[in-house]
Amino acid sequence: GAGVSQTPSNKVTEKGKYVELRCDPISGHTALYWYRQSLGQGPEFLIYFQGTGAADDSGLPNDRFFAVRPEGSVSTLKIQRTERGDSAVYLCASSLTSQGAGSPLHFGNGTRLTVT
Amino acid sequence: AQKITQTQPGMFVQEKEAVTLDCTYDTSDPSYGLFWYKQPSSGEMIFLIYQGSYDQQNATEGRYSLNFQKARKSANLVISASQLGDSAMYFCATSGGYQKVTFGIGTKLQVIP
Repeated sequence: GAGVSQTPSNKVTEKGKYVELRCDPISGHTALYWYRQSLGQGPEFLIYFQGTGAADDSGLPNDRFFAVRPEGSVSTLKIQRTERGDSAVYLCASSLTSQGAGSPLHFGNGTRLTVT
Repeated sequence: AQKITQTQPGMFVQEKEAVTLDCTYDTSDPSYGLFWYKQPSSGEMIFLIYQGSYDQQNATEGRYSLNFQKARKSANLVISASQLGDSAMYFCATSGGYQKVTFGIGTKLQVIP
């Protein structure tokens, strides 16, 4: 079946602009995660949804970052007033249940965001 | 709070040999999971293996095995019979209960022909 789909694959934007990154998880997966990965680093947790609600948003760096999952499927990560330091690969992952139960994360190919 | 430590920034292994990638973890949760992921240069993250904290036996998946030593808080990945396609970044990760997954900084493995 289809895997996790992320669009766009690449996004170049100017400093101060607003961007939206989309994630379409595997059908039936209730848990959805957003991570950010900078060059040479491991994935950094941003936010985790169980169904429609954000179960843990402790990784969002500041109030410029926001994510939604209104129908419990597709999720959008929104970044306002982008800064050059936001440049990274944004990874989305989904799992059948939450990770603590041993259900592995299935990752998309990521969106590479470049803020100029 | 959860923390993963991977102390080997880079490793080399001869093709067909076995290699061990180190991972130590710290968590306050009594029940937790340990995971290894592979990230080739293409960027995709590929799940390799899972170990639950209460599992009695070490997990194995084909050429991958997880050497779980609970008292030492270590979860090393062993890759047997290395192949050229094993060259990639490898990330150890942990989760507790129904919480977020925390990743280490990774180890870059290069397999030499």
